[in-house]
Amino acid sequence: SQQGEEDPQALSIQEGENATMNCSYKTSINNLQWYRQNSGRGLVHLILIRSNEREKHSGRLRVTLDTSKKSSSLLITASRAADTASYFCATEIIQGAQKLVFGQGTRLTINP
Amino acid sequence: KAGVTQTPRYLIKTRGQQVTLSCSPISGHRSVSWYQQTPGQGLQFLFEYFSETQRNKGNFPGRFSGRQFSNSRSEMNVSTLELGDSALYLCASSLARQATAYGYTFGSGTRLTVV
Repeated sequence: SQQGEEDPQALSIQEGENATMNCSYKTSINNLQWYRQNSGRGLVHLILIRSNEREKHSGRLRVTLDTSKKSSSLLITASRAADTASYFCATEIIQGAQKLVFGQGTRLTINP
Repeated sequence: KAGVTQTPRYLIKTRGQQVTLSCSPISGHRSVSWYQQTPGQGLQFLFEYFSETQRNKGNFPGRFSGRQFSNSRSEMNVSTLELGDSALYLCASSLARQATAYGYTFGSGTRLTVV
């Protein structure tokens, strides 16, 4: 079964609004990463947050991590049409295993 | 600089055939990973290589194999194709030895359709 569960599965908002996606996981992690995928193409690495960090920012992206609740959220502020994509969280469970476990993703649609 | 290059982009094969997919990582990247993406199972880890050594393998049957060459280019092979092997196969590379601690750069993938 998947390590990460993402919520919601799909999200549709108006351009300019903020979008929040959540990721929950089952086991302890070393880090959690967020990736974006446009229309079945490759994934683009957005941001990585380590287990000892609680919040990180990158441009319009804000990621939080709550290890006690085994959850993370990705906030995209002031959304743009170009943000339309699928967003995946991925976790590194075992240090050195060189394997990421991905969630099922959230499909985000930004309406102009 | 060039990104991760996967060839071919699209492939149609018949059940029972075999297929080889190629991945050229970003220059200087020695860690290469492969993932399979399907609508039903999502993104599943296949293998990871570093300096020609397979360091980890996912839970896939032995029909799935891979290798990495001295120039870090990697290939994966699927023998005796089944309809369920239809998927987007993604290759990812990283400069870091501990690649999962820093994140990956992904290629655009190879879309394999088995008929």
